[in-house]
Amino acid sequence: AQTVTQSQPEMSVQEAETVTLSCTYDTSESDYYLFWYKQPPSRQMILVIRQEAYKQQNATENRFSVNFQKAAKSFSLKISDSQLGDAAMYFCAYRSFSGAGSYQLTFGKGTKLSVIP
Amino acid sequence: AAGVIQSPRHLIKEKRETATLKCYPIPRHDTVYWYQQGPGQDPQFLISFYEKMQSDKGSIPDRFSAQQFSDYHSELNMSSLELGDSALYFCASSPNPTSTSYEQYFGPGTRLTVT
Repeated sequence: AQTVTQSQPEMSVQEAETVTLSCTYDTSESDYYLFWYKQPPSRQMILVIRQEAYKQQNATENRFSVNFQKAAKSFSLKISDSQLGDAAMYFCAYRSFSGAGSYQLTFGKGTKLSVIP
Repeated sequence: AAGVIQSPRHLIKEKRETATLKCYPIPRHDTVYWYQQGPGQDPQFLISFYEKMQSDKGSIPDRFSAQQFSDYHSELNMSSLELGDSALYFCASSPNPTSTSYEQYFGPGTRLTVT
């Protein structure tokens, strides 16, 4: 079974600064998908960014980018120019690529990000 | 853009009662997933459906059942409710999971409180 570990329960960042959230995972599969979801106080789960394991290029979405290290099984999220609206719980998630596994998402425990004005 | 719709948004039930949660996926999404998120916890997968058939099952109690209907909406039925069932229940939808569009889009959740 796949596991996802987020070792930072809480982090804080000054507004306009950059912060990196860590995520590691364990899997025996060679192809899979990785995601970062944001959960603000409203509790809505919002997809931030996704990465296909077969792509070497790191995904980028505006101020959000990932550092995907497949050999190390590491998938960190970098938030640049942090804004007050970025304050939320961030979950790292894993999904199998093929039907031999499961298409369910396996989540880490989350990192609560605070943004300091 | 249309999003996943869940109803009701809030539900209060007493122990041993029954609850039904509904989920309406994004149009043209034929796959639905149910997740349970307890207080301070990460979402846990319960069950999924693809083309109206159960496709996968997670840590769903036997007291819970679910189905997907011909219009692709799904219902999660929960019986003999326990205090520990109090949680936020998410529904997520995605296109055919073998397609190149594989993201799961979450609804706003149903907050169930069991007293």
